[in-house]
Amino acid sequence: ELKVEQNPLFLSMQEGKNYTIYCNYSTTSDRLYWYRQDPGKSLESLFVLLSNGAVKQEGRLMASLDTKARLSTLHITAAVHDLSATYFCAAAQGAQKLVFGQGTRLTINP
Amino acid sequence: EAGVTQFPSHSVIEKGQTVTLRCDPISGHDNLYWYRRVMGKEIKFLLHFVKESKQDESGMPNNRFLAERTGGTYSTLKVQPAELEDSGVYFCASSPQGTYSPLHFGNGTRLTVT
Repeated sequence: ELKVEQNPLFLSMQEGKNYTIYCNYSTTSDRLYWYRQDPGKSLESLFVLLSNGAVKQEGRLMASLDTKARLSTLHITAAVHDLSATYFCAAAQGAQKLVFGQGTRLTINP
Repeated sequence: EAGVTQFPSHSVIEKGQTVTLRCDPISGHDNLYWYRRVMGKEIKFLLHFVKESKQDESGMPNNRFLAERTGGTYSTLKVQPAELEDSGVYFCASSPQGTYSPLHFGNGTRLTVT
């Protein structure tokens, strides 16, 4: 059974700092998703990672995938307050089912 | 393009009552999914429709939950009778054909059973 674990679950950081959220998954999966959720809002797709070594960047966020280690990372560079949200990773099980991590609640303080 | 729409946004019902949640996917999306997040836990898969057919309902907790997708358009998720442990946020998502398409999520329905 596929399980997905994120860490940390809570992260409070200062503006301008760098940090990484880690996402480990337990069995083979052919794609990995990162989502962002603001309070009371929907989950917004950030990245889809399809292959080993895949790296995608959007603004201050960069996601990578290591399928051999079953690890994906979401790196935040020079954090700004607007990035405060809950971030979820999800690994695909089978054709369409996603298994989510617990979510990382990120708070960025001025 | 309108996003995935869910109704209601909040519902408070008593144990034993019935509640029906509705989801309108993005127009043209054949895939429709229901997920649920119980407080403090992960977002968990409930079921997946392809058009009007149930492709995978392995995540449905028990037979108190009934999902339908009329004519391959909107979907409803009925809980009857509701129990306390059914409280949580129910998310609907849709995606076009193609295995690698990201899911587009609605804002969710927060269900509270008292």
